[in-house]
Amino acid sequence: AQTVTQSQPEMSVQEAETVTLSCTYDTSESDYYLFWYKQPPSRQMILVIRQEAYKQQNATENRFSVNFQKAAKSFSLKISDSQLGDAAMYFCAYRRDSGNTPLVFGKGTRLSVIA
Amino acid sequence: NAGVTQTPKFQVLKTGQSMTLQCAQDMNHNSMYWYRQDPGMGLRLIYYSASEGTTDKGEVPNGYNVSRLNKREFSLRLESAAPSQTSVYFCASSARGENSPLHFGNGTRLTVT
Repeated sequence: AQTVTQSQPEMSVQEAETVTLSCTYDTSESDYYLFWYKQPPSRQMILVIRQEAYKQQNATENRFSVNFQKAAKSFSLKISDSQLGDAAMYFCAYRRDSGNTPLVFGKGTRLSVIA
Repeated sequence: NAGVTQTPKFQVLKTGQSMTLQCAQDMNHNSMYWYRQDPGMGLRLIYYSASEGTTDKGEVPNGYNVSRLNKREFSLRLESAAPSQTSVYFCASSARGENSPLHFGNGTRLTVT
């Protein structure tokens, strides 16, 4: 079974600085999909960014970008110019194909932003 | 656009009581999912329905049943609640197609005493 590991239970960053959240996964598939979700205190699950394994180019969404290392099975999230509103739980997730299969989630990293 | 709607938002049950968590989506999505979230455990899949008329077990199905009532609705039933089922429950849906993300409801906080 696929597993997703987030090795940093908690992290903190100064406002306006950059922070990187780590994620590794275990799979024998060659095609798969990766996601980062944000969960603020409101409990809402918000999609931050997604990456297709067949694409070599790293995905970017405004201040959020990923460093996807397929051989290392690593999918880290970089947040630039951190803002107070970035404080949340962040979950890394894996899906083994493009069909209607569930996501497998990591245990999450709680990010604090210090003013 | 309501997206994924879960009811109720909060619920307190006594051990042995039963209840059904309701979920409906208005995005015409094929697949629907139930996850539970516990501190330090991330989100774990309980059951999912890849399409109308099908359901499959996830990682933690024991103590739960599901019904895919139609394309819009996917309910989760606890027949005899136990304290170990105290959790936050999320319903989600996704469209068919490449890299479609999951769209989540706002969750139900369930406490079993």
